[in-house]
Order: sequence, then structure tokens, then C-alpha cells
Amino acid sequence: DGGITQSPKYLFRKEGQNVTLSCEQNLNHDAMYWYRQDPGQGLRLIYYSQIVNDFQKGDIAEGYSVSREKKESFPLTVTSAQKNPTAFYLCASSPWGGQTKNIQYFGAGTRLSVL
Amino acid sequence: AQSVTQLGSHVSVSEGALVLLRCNYSSSVPPYLFWYVQYPNQGLQLLLKYTTGATLVKGINGFEAEFKKSETSFHLTKPSAHMSDAAEYFCAVSDRERSNYKLTFGKGTLLTVNP
Repeated sequence: DGGITQSPKYLFRKEGQNVTLSCEQNLNHDAMYWYRQDPGQGLRLIYYSQIVNDFQKGDIAEGYSVSREKKESFPLTVTSAQKNPTAFYLCASSPWGGQTKNIQYFGAGTRLSVL
Repeated sequence: AQSVTQLGSHVSVSEGALVLLRCNYSSSVPPYLFWYVQYPNQGLQLLLKYTTGATLVKGINGFEAEFKKSETSFHLTKPSAHMSDAAEYFCAVSDRERSNYKLTFGKGTLLTVNP
């Protein structure tokens, strides 16, 4: 089945530690996105990538980093500079052009907590 | 910048009653419009979308939404609520004049369905 796989489902971070969230898609989509979800805040865009080896900051990029070395993969690193990392993180992808452009498909999410 | 307002962070209805979830957007040019549903600890699933054409859009699970340009609204309705409709619902917009297809989300409306 085609889809988006996020791992792990739950993740714990210690003070001063960097952690990486995995996002893999087999939908052959060009664009990928990372969102942060906090209760009552909706989804806020962290980073997005329209093509391999290129990515753009979203609305809340500080304290996060990404890479896009392969079309299928868009990992997110939560660095120690992110002082309030506890949240639900969602990865999404979308095709680029065609009738289904603009539709984003989401993974099941990773819940990150601070120890 | 675009913004999305969802009136009512929590809506409660009885099983079999009408569901009405409100969404208003701010944009000088009508954007692409979406409704997503999120069940607890899961990702988002697309319910329906409006891009062009007929302003009444039908989606999955019996939901529909009507785009009203004069009111800058895209309210979501379902004639008869079912217990399985209990979830959080997000309205989102995408600027049709830009090519990056970013989505701006509302803060969500939690729907509870009472037996």
C-alpha cells in the first residue's frame, strides 16, 4: 500500500539532545512537509521541500533542521536549540502539479516528549 | 498573509442531529479550500476540497461544504451525525496564486457526538 510512514510513534528527548524524526513516502510525491501540532493551535508549518536537495523554512523553523537527499525521505531533526519541543509532529507529502496538486497526505505522526 | 478562522473550538451534537462546523478565510483572491479530519493520535485525512467549479462540494462519510465567496466562508455540514464522526476537524486554505502549495490551517474544531 502506498503511504507515508513516520517513525518512531513515540520519542523522548533529554535536555541538550538532538533527536531525529523519520518520514518516508512511497507515493512518488515531489513535495514534503513537516508540521507541529499543539493542543488548540492547529498545525504550524516547520519546513517544506518541493524537490530533492532543496527545502524552505516554514513559519516556525527555529530550533529545527531538515534534509532532502532522496525523494522518498524527509527527516526532521529537533535540535537542543528548540526549548519547547513537546508536541505532535506530522509529516505530509503532495504531488506537484496535475489534478491532485494542493492535496496533502499525512503520516500518522510522532509524539515527542521531553524527559 | 492568509488566515483561517474556525468558529467554536468545541461543538457537541446529539446522534442524528445536524453537524455544522464553521470556517472563514481572509484572502482577496478565493483560495483553494480544504477540510481535514483527525482521529485521536492519528494523522489528518482529507474530507473534501474546493478548487473551481460547483460551489457545493461533497466529500467522504456524508460530509459536504459550500464555498460562499461573498461571505468568505466554507462551512462543513452533515445532515445526521453518527458516533463515528467524533473527531477533530481542520479547515485549511492554499493560495492559488502561489506555486508552493503551502496550507494554512485553522485551529481546529473538536466534534463530540452524544448518544
